[in-house]
Amino acid sequence: DTGVSQDPRHKITKRGQNVTFRCDPISEHNRLYWYRQTLGQGPEFLTYFQNEAQLEKSRLLSDRFSAERPKGSFSTLEIQRTEQGDSAMYLCASSPARRYEQYFGPGTRLTVT
Amino acid sequence: AQKITQTQPGMFVQEKEAVTLDCTYDTSDQSYGLFWYKQPSSGEMIFLIYQGSYDEQNATEGRYSLNFQKARKSANLVISASQLGDSAMYFCAMREGNTGNQFYFGTGTSLTVIP
Repeated sequence: DTGVSQDPRHKITKRGQNVTFRCDPISEHNRLYWYRQTLGQGPEFLTYFQNEAQLEKSRLLSDRFSAERPKGSFSTLEIQRTEQGDSAMYLCASSPARRYEQYFGPGTRLTVT
Repeated sequence: AQKITQTQPGMFVQEKEAVTLDCTYDTSDQSYGLFWYKQPSSGEMIFLIYQGSYDEQNATEGRYSLNFQKARKSANLVISASQLGDSAMYFCAMREGNTGNQFYFGTGTSLTVIP
């Protein structure tokens, strides 16, 4: 296993379209996190899963964002009715049980035109 | 108030010298954790070091050490014997909450190692 993977790496979409990103965590990690990072800023926490349960969701997260982790393995992040302000790098990270350090994937760069 | 504050937007260090990157945090929780991550120009975030709020010893990982001063709410990263490959953005982060599942990152410090 070579680490956290994300797909696609780049996505360009028109405003108003829906997009979905996928994250495959490190196989033995039961914790999974989604973040958003804009230029010049640190990652902003979006949501957290422990196995298939979504246990935390940022209060700043719009209702247009939804995430799933149906079988406790891979996760998807969907953004509905995209806006130009959604343009950012979307990062996924995973952690093993009983440990807090997170291992990040390469990210999906979203551009909304 | 900002949860994590990194006041140094950019830092320079001579190769083989040590450098300290500053981080202060704000939380009212008793149980929390502090992290440092490195983000090279390639973009991938790399975990460097972790310090729990109840850990009595400062964390060390190879050339990285975390200078944890609880009363001052600071968690500075010290990189010893800087190498050219250390040039990158460095982010301080904190987990807090009863379940420890909320994470906050600072705005980062750009480190440049000069040969």
